[in-house]
Amino acid sequence: KNEVEQSPQNLTAQEGEFITINCSYSVGISALHWLQQHPGGGIVSLFMLSSGKKKHGRLIATINIQEKHSSLHITASHPRDSAVYICAAKWWNGGSQGNLIFGKGTKLSVKP
Amino acid sequence: EAQVTQNPRYLITVTGKKLTVTCSQNMNHEYMSWYRQDPGLGLRQIYYSMNVEVTDKGDVPEGYKVSRKEKRNFPLILESPSPNQTSLYFCASSSPDRERGKLFFGSGTQLSVL
Repeated sequence: KNEVEQSPQNLTAQEGEFITINCSYSVGISALHWLQQHPGGGIVSLFMLSSGKKKHGRLIATINIQEKHSSLHITASHPRDSAVYICAAKWWNGGSQGNLIFGKGTKLSVKP
Repeated sequence: EAQVTQNPRYLITVTGKKLTVTCSQNMNHEYMSWYRQDPGLGLRQIYYSMNVEVTDKGDVPEGYKVSRKEKRNFPLILESPSPNQTSLYFCASSSPDRERGKLFFGSGTQLSVL
């Protein structure tokens, strides 16, 4: 069964700390998404990765295809970064690239 | 403004009464998909569509139908809703060649089936 595991499940940090959220998956994928869901429920896509590293502002996402692992880093964390972060792996499915499997999310709380 | 529009935002219905949740995008995206989100289970994919007239099952398709007759619209149909379909539903769209392949999500539909 194709699975996506995230860790930690919950994370509390002090403002300014460097944060890492991990995502591992069980089989080969074509791409991996990192999503952010705020308490109001809306979901925003942060990155889509198929290899290497991407950076946007204080957010950095990396993926190691051989080790089946991706990380999301937040530098100089801020209370407004408090949210649930979700990774989603895009599987090949009979030639189609549309099947997404989600991790259960990491709830991040950044204290001032 | 580029957006994915879902309607309704909230819906309360009774078992067996057919309903449709609409999803429309104005970005000319090829890919559209539906997800449900439940406490403890996270997000799960229901159906997706790679383009017009092309749809495929996700992880939890039972009890749902979709159609993709036009590129911009991807409605989710519950022919005979049951209480276990009470959930928060999201629609999303993307294009593999634009916006770095990111997914754009609708605001969500909170469905309660009594």
